[in-house]
Amino acid sequence: DAGITQSPRHKVTETGTPVTLRCHQTENHRYMYWYRQDPGHGLRLIHYSYGVKDTDKGEVSDGYSVSRSKTEDFLLTLESATSSQTSVYFCAISSPLNSGANVLTFGAGSRLTVL
Amino acid sequence: RKEVEQDPGPFNVPEGATVAFNCTYSNSASQSFFWYRQDCRKEPKLLMSVYSSGNEDGRFTAQLNRASQYISLLIRDSKLSDSATYLCVVNKASNTGKLIFGQGTTLQVKP
Repeated sequence: DAGITQSPRHKVTETGTPVTLRCHQTENHRYMYWYRQDPGHGLRLIHYSYGVKDTDKGEVSDGYSVSRSKTEDFLLTLESATSSQTSVYFCAISSPLNSGANVLTFGAGSRLTVL
Repeated sequence: RKEVEQDPGPFNVPEGATVAFNCTYSNSASQSFFWYRQDCRKEPKLLMSVYSSGNEDGRFTAQLNRASQYISLLIRDSKLSDSATYLCVVNKASNTGKLIFGQGTTLQVKP
């Protein structure tokens, strides 16, 4: 296994509250990603990181912020959760195949419900 | 138009059947292609990479047609355990590793 853990795995919260999801990796990978998965949309990239303190936006970054103060931890924060952010959130790391292509290995997911 | 498009299915097939999934992508500069498998309420896992020359892994065959911007996955002799959602995935032709996912095709293999 790639050594990725997400916490919490399940969370129910109320609209307007802050939420932080944590992704921890033990593989010392440079690239880390946060995706959300919703019916009819598939997986969509929220933010990604290419190193400590180096992050960039994905396609659905509004309402989310991230931080990476250590190689092993990538945090996703919802400053003020909304019902539209009810989703399953997956963290991933990127590692190269022998061909040079990068593949993603995912954590088990964090299921967030915003009431 | 979505960057990666798949027929969501579901495909309902009997055990032992051969089934094929297709996927189209819009960015002609894409360089890397994959099929991922996702079981219900689990994370996606890499099934196989897709190469221009086509590649086979046991009962699974993947093919890429760059001219038509089309990827396929063929599963022969379907097993009950093949029931899952199959995600077509395309790299955005950059070195960030950013991947674009199709919404997936659901396969249900029945006894």
